Amino acid sequence: GENVEQHPSTLSVQEGDSAVIKCTYSDSASNYFPWYKQELGKRPQLIIDIRSNVGEKKDQRIAVTLNKTAKHFSLHITETQPEDSAVYFCAAGGNTGKLIFGQGTTLQVKP
Amino acid sequence: KAGVTQTPRYLIKTRGQQVTLSCSPISGHRSVSWYQQTPGQGLQFLFEYFSETQRNKGNFPGRFSGRQFSNSRSEMNVSTLELGDSALYLCASSKGGSGNTIYFGEGSWLTVV
Repeated sequence: GENVEQHPSTLSVQEGDSAVIKCTYSDSASNYFPWYKQELGKRPQLIIDIRSNVGEKKDQRIAVTLNKTAKHFSLHITETQPEDSAVYFCAAGGNTGKLIFGQGTTLQVKP
Repeated sequence: KAGVTQTPRYLIKTRGQQVTLSCSPISGHRSVSWYQQTPGQGLQFLFEYFSETQRNKGNFPGRFSGRQFSNSRSEMNVSTLELGDSALYLCASSKGGSGNTIYFGEGSWLTVV
């Protein structure tokens, strides 16, 4: 069935370091890969997304890469700040409102 | 532009009761999806409605149902509540087409006692 594996489940970095979260998906039909940031008690907030016709996308300190052949996509956060601390979810979707989510990564940025 | 609005935000129900949650999507969005979030199972897809029709369905029992109205507003209903139904229920809206961006509401926190 459809599945998205996300690693690591927890990640602790020093302020200013980089953080990388990796996801693997199973459904070859997936063509949309968003990343959401969720702070405690709040809604998932879209931080960046990538579509299957693009290999890499960058927005300031955040970048996402996609390898469709290997069915891998990754989130890269550079120059991490304490306010980056949250749970990050990757997801895979198609041309509808259905998303399959990874299990989440708890990122802790230590000052 | 208003975001995705969900009501009620918090509710407590007793086992065996039923509950109805409401979602108003972003203006112009025709797709509404529902997700269940629990600490153990993460974010799981319940179902999606597009133009008043269920377009996708996740692996949840028939106790979970939904509908969408002509103004794109959606409701989901859970009947015969179980303790395990305690969760954050998130509604998400999008335009519904290829490569569409999906936005989440604040969610409805359901506690079943």
